[in-house]
Amino acid sequence: QVQLVQSGAEVKKPGASVKISCETSGYIFTSYAIHWVRQAPGQGLEWMGWFNGGNGNTKASQRFQDKVSITRDTSANTVYLELNSLSAEDTAVYYCARSERQSASYHDFWGQGTLVTVSS
Amino acid sequence: DIQMTQSPSSLSASVGDRVTISCRASQYIATYLNWYQQRPGKVPRLLIYTASSLQSGVPSRFSGSGSGTDFTLTISSLQPEDFATYYCQQSYTTPTWTFGQGTKVEIK
Repeated sequence: QVQLVQSGAEVKKPGASVKISCETSGYIFTSYAIHWVRQAPGQGLEWMGWFNGGNGNTKASQRFQDKVSITRDTSANTVYLELNSLSAEDTAVYYCARSERQSASYHDFWGQGTLVTVSS
Repeated sequence: DIQMTQSPSSLSASVGDRVTISCRASQYIATYLNWYQQRPGKVPRLLIYTASSLQSGVPSRFSGSGSGTDFTLTISSLQPEDFATYYCQQSYTTPTWTFGQGTKVEIK
């Protein structure tokens, strides 16, 4: 069965970086994309960016393009989200979610979420 | 970027009520519109995709409609487990997708 399993909660100091993972299984990795979605405490869902499993391309939203790096472990079907220069505003739950690679797609499977807390 | 605006931001309703949530896109998105439900402390769940297609396993009391820029999610008879926050999302501008700000459905 399709599974997206994310790494555990992180606590970081302001200015630090964090790298969280999304390990995928149960489907053909190259046929789908993995997206990252942020949810700050008490706030809504924000689309951050994606990794295209077919060609390895990544794209971040304009809001996050200086904040994030999305990469893949080529030896495993795992996608990473790295956040740099952390501030308190980056405290949030980060979700990975799957979709097909074309328009008119949707997130049919989600990871369990990773809480990142930024505090001095 | 395409902006998605939901209305209302919150609503109070009773079990058995018919509930309608609207979502408007800032530009044309055909029917590339999805709806998600998020219960408190839980992972979002896909309800409706491409505006009106019901995701497998989702109760038939949920339905979606619309095209172009205006879309609606309807819950025909609200159940206790439906009290949650609902989000629309456009997938027209792949890969840059956007969510609406959410609509919280509360118990009256």
